[in-house]
Order: sequence, then structure tokens, then C-alpha cells
Amino acid sequence: QVTLRESGPALVKPTQTLTLTCTFSGFSLNTSGMSVSWIRQPPGKALEWLALIDWDDDTYYSTSLKTRLTISRDTSKNQVVLTMTNMDPVDTATYFCARIRAVDIVADFWGQGTLVTVSS
Amino acid sequence: DIVMTQTPLSSPVTLGQPASISCRSSQSLVHSDANTYLSWLQQRPGQPPRLLIYKISNRFSGVPDRFSGSGAGTDFTLKISRVEAEDVGVYYCMQASQFPYTFGQGTKLKIK
Repeated sequence: QVTLRESGPALVKPTQTLTLTCTFSGFSLNTSGMSVSWIRQPPGKALEWLALIDWDDDTYYSTSLKTRLTISRDTSKNQVVLTMTNMDPVDTATYFCARIRAVDIVADFWGQGTLVTVSS
Repeated sequence: DIVMTQTPLSSPVTLGQPASISCRSSQSLVHSDANTYLSWLQQRPGQPPRLLIYKISNRFSGVPDRFSGSGAGTDFTLKISRVEAEDVGVYYCMQASQFPYTFGQGTKLKIK
């Protein structure tokens, strides 16, 4: 049974760095073909893909946000970490992590999401 | 980046009637391996997205057969043969043929 759960601060101040953790079970990032992505959704708006890390430790980023994002993994803990620097109120959103199954390149399982508000 | 454009943005439908959502990409989604990595997701109110369809037309496990996907190249369609009350929500297309992955703006399905 595949599950993912996002965790991190609910409130961050402008200019601070956000660190989010995705803890997963039911699969391993050491397994060929497995990846984890981060996606966000501002309140009432559409989904926006942010970053991906795969079984080979290769990383990929959103074009517009790549200078602010870092994705990393801890395979011993079954965790993927996303950091986003220089947070701004426009970054207020629910942040989701999802498993990406490479054979079909599909986001087949999602976490419940965590709402991050950026405000002073 | 590939831009995904969905139409309509809002779709009022009568229960039991069909619904159709279109998704167009700014460039072909045919991958170098000849597959097309276009999927459809449903997001019910207050819930995370849920996978419905992948690689254009493959239903994910547990998805009712009233949902179907079709299309090729740059034009794709999600159809619901008979809308039920539980289908209310926002539907997104997503392309994963090329990095960065991108989503459509979403189509809100509501009951008339």
C-alpha cells in the first residue's frame, strides 16, 4: 500500500527558506523507475509542478522556480525534502508530494498536502 | 515549457448526461520512446488530486468505466459517459512527456 505524507511549517515569513518533507511508504526510491515529485496549488488556483527526484538521484525543476528550489532524498528514511528559498506571499499554497512511476510517467499516488502560508 | 490549455473552464452538467473536457498542448506530447504521457486527474473539493487516466486512455485501478480518455499528438479529451453526483470537482490534464511537467488550468465540473 503506497502512502505519502507531507510535513513542514504552516507559516513562514517573507524572505525565509521553506523546508518540506515527504515521508512515504509502500515503495523505495532505490527501486529503478520510482520517483517523487512536488506540486503546489495556491488557494483556488491550478496545480503547478515544482520538482522531481528519481531513483538515480537525478533532479529536475520548474523553469520559473529552479533558482529557488532544491530537492533531495534520504533513502534510508524514505523521505524526500524540498527547500524553497526567499519565500514570498505569492508562494502561499498547498504543497503536495506524489509518486511518479517511470514506466508510465504518471503521478499515481498523492499525499494529502500541507498548506503553507507566507506572511509577516 | 509545454503549455496545456483546457476547455471549457467550467462545465455545468445534468446528472446522468455525458460530459467532455478538452486539453490541448502547445507541442506534440509524443515522447522519444513513442509513448504519449498525458494523464487526467480529478480533484474533489478539499481533496488531493486523484489519478483517473494515464497515457491518454488507460484507466487507473478502481476508476469507473464511465471515464474514458482519447486523443493523440496535441489534442486530448476526457469523457464521462453519465455524470454522477460524486464526479463534481476540478479536472486537470497533465503532461509528463517533457520536463518540466505541466498541468492544464483545470475544468470545474458542476451539476446543473
